[in-house]
Amino acid sequence: AQKVTQAQTEISVVEKEDVTLDCVYETRDTTYYLFWYKQPPSGELVFLIRRNSFDEQNEISGRYSWNFQKSTSSFNFTITASQVVDSAVYFCALSVFNSGSARQLTFGSGTQLTVLP
Amino acid sequence: EPEVTQTPSHQVTQMGQEVILRCVPISNHLYFYWYRQILGQKVEFLVSFYNNEISEKSEIFDDQFSVERPDGSNFTLKIRSTKLEDSAMYFCASSERLLLTYEQYFGPGTRLTVT
Repeated sequence: AQKVTQAQTEISVVEKEDVTLDCVYETRDTTYYLFWYKQPPSGELVFLIRRNSFDEQNEISGRYSWNFQKSTSSFNFTITASQVVDSAVYFCALSVFNSGSARQLTFGSGTQLTVLP
Repeated sequence: EPEVTQTPSHQVTQMGQEVILRCVPISNHLYFYWYRQILGQKVEFLVSFYNNEISEKSEIFDDQFSVERPDGSNFTLKIRSTKLEDSAMYFCASSERLLLTYEQYFGPGTRLTVT
């Protein structure tokens, strides 16, 4: 069985601060995918990034960066110079690759990020 | 940009009534999913659907739930006799079959309120 843990329930920062959202996952499968989704107050789920288990390169996209470390089963997400519009719930998710499987996503419980002006 | 759409955006129903939530997946996608999010909680997988049959389902997806693809575009989730605890946001998602394209694209959700 798969499990995703986001230990930080809520984080509050002041605008322009950097913030890191933690994600720890558990799976026995060697081939898997990790995701981050953003859920703004309007409620929709916005895809941010996908990473497969064979690609441990860190990725940067504008103010967002992701640190994938298989040794610690972590896939952390950092927002640099946070802005008020970053305020949302952020979900980490895991999907394992099983042949013939439709590859359901297992979500963490989410981290509510509040960026104060 | 193609997107997943869901109707209605909000549905209020009385306990015991049947509801049908509708989704239009992205047109060239072959895998379809329903997820549920009870207010303030995490998103939970309900069911996946491929080639006109259920591929996987969770423990939540009991006999009260059913899914259908009645035509070439719609994908529906039916709850036969709603309970108070069915109140949640229901998300539809779809994905392509290609191995390298793995994102599940989510719709905006339907908020179901059971009174």
